Amino acid sequence: SQTIHQWPATLVQPVGSPLSLECTVEGTSNPNLYWYRQAAGRGLQLLFYSVGIGQISSEVPQNLSASRPQDRQFILSSKKLLLSDSGFYLCAWSALRATEAFFGQGTRLTVV
Amino acid sequence: GENVEQHPSTLSVQEGDSAVIKCTYSDSASNYFPWYKQELGKRPQLIIDIRSNVGEKKDQRIAVTLNKTAKHFSLHITETQPEDSAVYFCAASMNSGYSTLTFGKGTMLLVSP
Repeated sequence: SQTIHQWPATLVQPVGSPLSLECTVEGTSNPNLYWYRQAAGRGLQLLFYSVGIGQISSEVPQNLSASRPQDRQFILSSKKLLLSDSGFYLCAWSALRATEAFFGQGTRLTVV
Repeated sequence: GENVEQHPSTLSVQEGDSAVIKCTYSDSASNYFPWYKQELGKRPQLIIDIRSNVGEKKDQRIAVTLNKTAKHFSLHITETQPEDSAVYFCAASMNSGYSTLTFGKGTMLLVSP
């Protein structure tokens, strides 16, 4: 069966520091991968999605970037964090040519 | 782009009652509508979904209806139980080979014993 791993679970970072969140999927090939952000008490907002290695689409302009160095690895990065980057970051995957999306455990990021 | 509105933002019911959460969408090209349940501090879990070629889908105590003409869809939970308490999110996307979901803002459902 497919599983999705996301780490770390929680992170406290100072303003201006870099960020790297990692997500990996097991048990499937060629998954579509997504990064969502959930601000406190809000819905989920799609940040990036990827349909293949090196292919990244950005949904909203922001201080973050994403990369997909391997088929089942998706990384969310920032060079300099802002206070407004705080939130719950969720990685998700869907099978090739499928629409059902499944989420990782999430990373709660607090920028101080 | 797509815009999804969800109501109500909070819903309190007594155990055994039914709960209904409603969503509207703006993009008539959307054809996939999932519902997610998120317990406090945890990941959203897909609980049911419906595609635009279907008007209603049921899975035990939960059902989803879709009115494509009016561009709205609803989640129905019957015989609610305290463990149904969570935040529920509706979403919409086009079935274009991947799942770029636009979410509603969520409904906090509280089921009192």
